[in-house]
Amino acid sequence: GIQVEQSPPDLILQEGANSTLRCNFSDSVNNLQWFHQNPWGQLINLFYIPSGTKQNGRLSATTVATERYSLLYISSSQTTDSGVYFCAVDLGKLIFGQGTELSVKP
Amino acid sequence: SAVISQKPSRDICQRGTSLTIQCQVDSQVTMMFWYRQQPGQSLTLIATANQGSEATYESGFVIDKFPISRPNLTFSTLTVSNMSPEDSSIYLCSVEDLTRTEAFFGQGTRLTVV
Repeated sequence: GIQVEQSPPDLILQEGANSTLRCNFSDSVNNLQWFHQNPWGQLINLFYIPSGTKQNGRLSATTVATERYSLLYISSSQTTDSGVYFCAVDLGKLIFGQGTELSVKP
Repeated sequence: SAVISQKPSRDICQRGTSLTIQCQVDSQVTMMFWYRQQPGQSLTLIATANQGSEATYESGFVIDKFPISRPNLTFSTLTVSNMSPEDSSIYLCSVEDLTRTEAFFGQGTRLTVV
């Protein structure tokens, strides 16, 4: 089956720093989503991005479908950005990567 | 986007007992999904619940352990049966938007089995 790999597994930032999270997938997909899971376990949909680039405030995402990867950019990070970031591909069901755990220190 | 209400938000249960988790959506949806997230792990799909038919279970999950009901287009329940400490996880329900491109999740149920 398809493999979804995220890197890095952990990331610690100072408030105000920028970061890039990566998601590699082993096969062609029509649907890729990014989620943020806050420390209370709530999972929030950030982007639906099968290809191209989207921006939402300090967050943006780029998917290069032909090269089978997606990137999530976080600029000017804040402590509220802490949590786990998941990418997931949709093959009739969502296949999640293992996540990147982000900790933003004040 | 869909608003999903899931309850309970957390529970501590004795081994050998069962817990039923409820998921209510603010709009009618064709499919509802149940996920398990073991401590420190990613999400794994347990089953897909369609209204009017039996749920479809993923490999490694069985109906006797995780019975699911889907009585209408806005509601579903997942029961975790005969619990053991290994069932301690976050359980989440999810739906897709009308275009079936974006997924939305309930708040999750944090289950601890002692």
